[in-house]
Amino acid sequence: DAGITQSPRHKVTETGTPVTLRCHQTENHRYMYWYRQDPGHGLRLIHYSYGVKDTDKGEVSDGYSVSRSKTEDFLLTLESATSSQTSVYFCATGQAYYGYTFGSGTRLTVV
Amino acid sequence: AQKITQTQPGMFVQEKEAVTLDCTYDTSDPSYGLFWYKQPSSGEMIFLIYQGSYDQQNATEGRYSLNFQKARKSANLVISASQLGDSAMYFCAMREVIILTGGGNKLTFGTGTQLKVEL
Repeated sequence: DAGITQSPRHKVTETGTPVTLRCHQTENHRYMYWYRQDPGHGLRLIHYSYGVKDTDKGEVSDGYSVSRSKTEDFLLTLESATSSQTSVYFCATGQAYYGYTFGSGTRLTVV
Repeated sequence: AQKITQTQPGMFVQEKEAVTLDCTYDTSDPSYGLFWYKQPSSGEMIFLIYQGSYDQQNATEGRYSLNFQKARKSANLVISASQLGDSAMYFCAMREVIILTGGGNKLTFGTGTQLKVEL
């Protein structure tokens, strides 16, 4: 069974609509992360969480918000989707000082 | 400022040869960790190797080794005896401890190196 599940796996949405991506873990890891992956940019950190209700911004947080109301779930919300937010989104979790685990990714297209 | 720099967007290597993928980093945190991940064309992120800033010896995992030069702030990945299955995107990443957030671990990635192994 996968320790990290991202949903949905694929989504097409219209500009201006709100979108929420979900990351669910069964590892009981303290740290959770949201990244976006775009060609030429690698993985860029959007937001991360270091505990329930404890979150902080990454390098590309504008236009995104997150929430973590329980250990296992980390939600990423695009309040009003724009075409520049078309990307592949990865969630990652970690507990110890190495071996962060990644989800399978969500491919989001904003039209 | 770039925290993690990978200057090689693409690399080619002959099968069975060794290859070095470069990574330099920037941090003022005395305690940090460096990682390498592999991303094949299927898209999943595969953890390869880890080096802690206080580790005295360079990390090794099978055919992967990390050439850690702390004074130069570099953490190059060496793949020995390259195989066709090594063709993938490789990412270097750094974990920093953010004191202001009570020890939250921030994990930052470089832009990646696309490695192609040829016959």
